[in-house]
Amino acid sequence: EDQVTQSPEALRLQEGESSSLNCSYTVSGLRGLFWYRQDPGKGPEFLFTLYSAGEEKEKERLKATLTKKESFLHITAPKPEDSATYLCAVISGTYKYIFGTGTRLKVLA
Amino acid sequence: EAGVAQSPRYKIIEKRQSVAFWCNPISGHATLYWYQQILGQGPKLLIQFQNNGVVDDSQLPKDRFSAERLKGVDSTLKIQPAKLEDSAVYLCASSLNQGSYEQYFGPGTRLTVT
Repeated sequence: EDQVTQSPEALRLQEGESSSLNCSYTVSGLRGLFWYRQDPGKGPEFLFTLYSAGEEKEKERLKATLTKKESFLHITAPKPEDSATYLCAVISGTYKYIFGTGTRLKVLA
Repeated sequence: EAGVAQSPRYKIIEKRQSVAFWCNPISGHATLYWYQQILGQGPKLLIQFQNNGVVDDSQLPKDRFSAERLKGVDSTLKIQPAKLEDSAVYLCASSLNQGSYEQYFGPGTRLTVT
């Protein structure tokens, strides 16, 4: 069964304290892996798409990487405005879009 | 560029009542998705349209949920009759086409069933 698991469920960081969020997946025929950011009361906002193992994408303080079994979202020197829920999703070989349950990130000033 | 529009933003109904949600995708986007997001969980795909045809509705509870996209633009999602466990945020998203995986989400409709 296609599945996406994110860890940790919640993470509290001090401003400037770098860390990583994990997304592990089992899916047949992975077509792509996505990271989204979701703020309270809003829909998810697209961040990155990764297509193949070894690929990396960066945007400001965020860097996403992909292996054959998992993806990491690295947050370097986070700021309070980075506080949000980060969602990982995959699209399978049959074009099924599957989301993980997310990591709730809180960055303290 | 206008984003994905959804209405209403909030809805409170009693169980066994019916409710409908409306979505207007980004202009020119052929693919439209409806998701259900229960508090503390990730979005779960309910139905995917390519223009006005259904691509995937395998997780749509068809005994109570229905959706249509008659002219390949706007879409409505209906629940009849509602159950307590239908309380969730209903998200609409669109993408340029099925091969363009980047999805743009609307703000969602928060449904409370009492």
